[in-house]
Amino acid sequence: KNQVEQSPQSLIILEGKNCTLQCNYTVSPFSNLRWYKQDTGRGPVSLTIMTFSENTKSNGRYTATLDADTKQSSLHITASQLSDSASYICVVGRSNDYKLSFGAGTTVTVRA
Amino acid sequence: EPEVTQTPSHQVTQMGQEVILRCVPISNHLYFYWYRQILGQKVEFLVSFYNNEISEKSEIFDDQFSVERPDGSNFTLKIRSTKLEDSAMYFCASSDLDSLWGTEAFFGQGTRLTVV
Repeated sequence: KNQVEQSPQSLIILEGKNCTLQCNYTVSPFSNLRWYKQDTGRGPVSLTIMTFSENTKSNGRYTATLDADTKQSSLHITASQLSDSASYICVVGRSNDYKLSFGAGTTVTVRA
Repeated sequence: EPEVTQTPSHQVTQMGQEVILRCVPISNHLYFYWYRQILGQKVEFLVSFYNNEISEKSEIFDDQFSVERPDGSNFTLKIRSTKLEDSAMYFCASSDLDSLWGTEAFFGQGTRLTVV
């Protein structure tokens, strides 16, 4: 079954601290993996997109890693800011159809 | 910066009524998508659309749903006879190339549909 599992479900961090979010997937055949940021009541906004040949990609303070062999990805947030409070969603694309499989998201709350 | 726009932002409708959700994708994009997110749940794929026809649809996208690109700019999702369980946030997205190959899909802000 094509699933995307994220952990933790939620976390609270202090402003300025780092955190790492995890994503495990069973989606096959694999095409690409994306991390999206979704503010409450808003549409998802893309942070990074990685294909199977890429194992790390950065976007400012966000760094994503991908291990296609173990089917795991992580999103690292460096020096968190209050504006980082959002849901972070791992999304995996298959190479045989047009569907993207979404994880349930990790809700990050950054406190001053 | 170009963006996907959706209208209305919030729609309340009575059960059994027809509803049309509207989207204006980014102008040079060729692939269009509808997703929905029931409150507290994952985003779910509904349908993709390319070259004036449906490319792929999920099991959610039954005969009650239809999509249309009536002109060169709008992309609509119609629900013929709404049910309570259709209440969700509906997101439109577009991409310039097939999103399969890692091209970024841009999402609109969503339309919150409430069926009463």
